[in-house]
Amino acid sequence: DGGITQSPKYLFRKEGQNVTLSCEQNLNHDAMYWYRQDPGQGLRLIYYSQIVNDFQKGDIAEGYSVSREKKESFPLTVTSAQKNPTAFYLCASSTGTGLYNEQFFGPGTRLTVL
Amino acid sequence: DQQVKQNSPSLSVQEGRISILNCDYTNSMFDYFLWYKKYPAEGPTFLISISSIKDKNEDGRFTVFLNKSAKHLSLHIVPSQPGDSAVYFCAANWGDYKLSFGAGTTVTVRA
Repeated sequence: DGGITQSPKYLFRKEGQNVTLSCEQNLNHDAMYWYRQDPGQGLRLIYYSQIVNDFQKGDIAEGYSVSREKKESFPLTVTSAQKNPTAFYLCASSTGTGLYNEQFFGPGTRLTVL
Repeated sequence: DQQVKQNSPSLSVQEGRISILNCDYTNSMFDYFLWYKKYPAEGPTFLISISSIKDKNEDGRFTVFLNKSAKHLSLHIVPSQPGDSAVYFCAANWGDYKLSFGAGTTVTVRA
């Protein structure tokens, strides 16, 4: 059963701590993405990766870091430099082989920084 | 600067009636448009898409219309059902893999 998994679903951290959000896909997709959703706002792109060992900053990359060591995995680290980290984080993937391909999303992780 | 705008944050419609969701964009380079549906605490799921060479695409109860000259697209849901109650996001892209999303419209279908 192919899909995207994100863990955990809910995550609590103390202010000043780094935290890593997991994203795994078994769809054999080349491209992966991280978005952030805040109330009343659309999804904003944090980072994306078109291929293993390569990634680019999105619109709101400050305070975040990523790695893409394996095709299946694209973890996101929320660092203490992120000023307002409490949000709903969504990971997505796409085939990346053409322009007209939709992105498939995971179930999301809600991060709350106390 | 938000390039994709959904100016109606919410929409309430009676079951069986038509739901019309609107989306405007500013970047004339966008050439592919998508609609996603999202339930609370879940990831968005792809609903329907349209490329700029078309002005209409239909899939069951869902139809998307594109007016390139007005930089406007709309999603029609006919007939609306209680399970359609969700947040709907309009998205667009061009030239690469990135999608630009609107802020979403919350649809509530009343019984």
